Amino acid sequence: AQTVTQSQPEMSVQEAETVTLSCTYDTSESDYYLFWYKQPPSRQMILVIRQEAYKQQNATENRFSVNFQKAAKSFSLKISDSQLGDAAMYFCAKTAGNKLTFGGGTRVLVKP
Amino acid sequence: NAGVMQNPRHLVRRRGQEARLRCSPMKGHSHVYWYRQLPEEGLKFMVYLQKENIIDESGMPKERFSAEFPKEGPSILRIQQVVRGDSAAYFCASSPPLGPYEQYFGPGTRLTVT
Repeated sequence: AQTVTQSQPEMSVQEAETVTLSCTYDTSESDYYLFWYKQPPSRQMILVIRQEAYKQQNATENRFSVNFQKAAKSFSLKISDSQLGDAAMYFCAKTAGNKLTFGGGTRVLVKP
Repeated sequence: NAGVMQNPRHLVRRRGQEARLRCSPMKGHSHVYWYRQLPEEGLKFMVYLQKENIIDESGMPKERFSAEFPKEGPSILRIQQVVRGDSAAYFCASSPPLGPYEQYFGPGTRLTVT
């Protein structure tokens, strides 16, 4: 079974600073998609950013950017200029056939 | 454009009762996915459906769980004879016909079995 691993259960960041969340995965596919989802206390799953594996250029969405290392099967998320509203669980996910496989999540705490 | 709708948002059932969870996909989306999230864990895939067809049910427990997506109306996830271990958040996602590359999630249904 394909797995997605998030090795950091919790990360703390000072407001306005930068935090990086790690994600590694295993796969035998050459083409797939990777995602970061944010889950605030409301439990709504919010798509933060998406990366297509065949694209070498790292995706960016405003203050969120990824470092995609295909050979290393690594997909980290960088949150710049952290805001209080960024506090949430963050899940890394990968397409696996017709479904998404999720990591166990990283809780991000933002200190004012 | 309304997002993915799920109801109810919260559902309490006693052991042995049936739970029915509903999901209406986004307009124009014909693919529906169900995921389960246990406390402090990531989401786990359960089933993938298109209209009137179950495409992949590899994540569904073999007994008591079933899903459908009829030609008309919402997708239904049905859990018969619920047990305490079924307590979880159940999320529905939908995607356009091109595939799972753009899945949008509903707000989830939190099922509590007492």
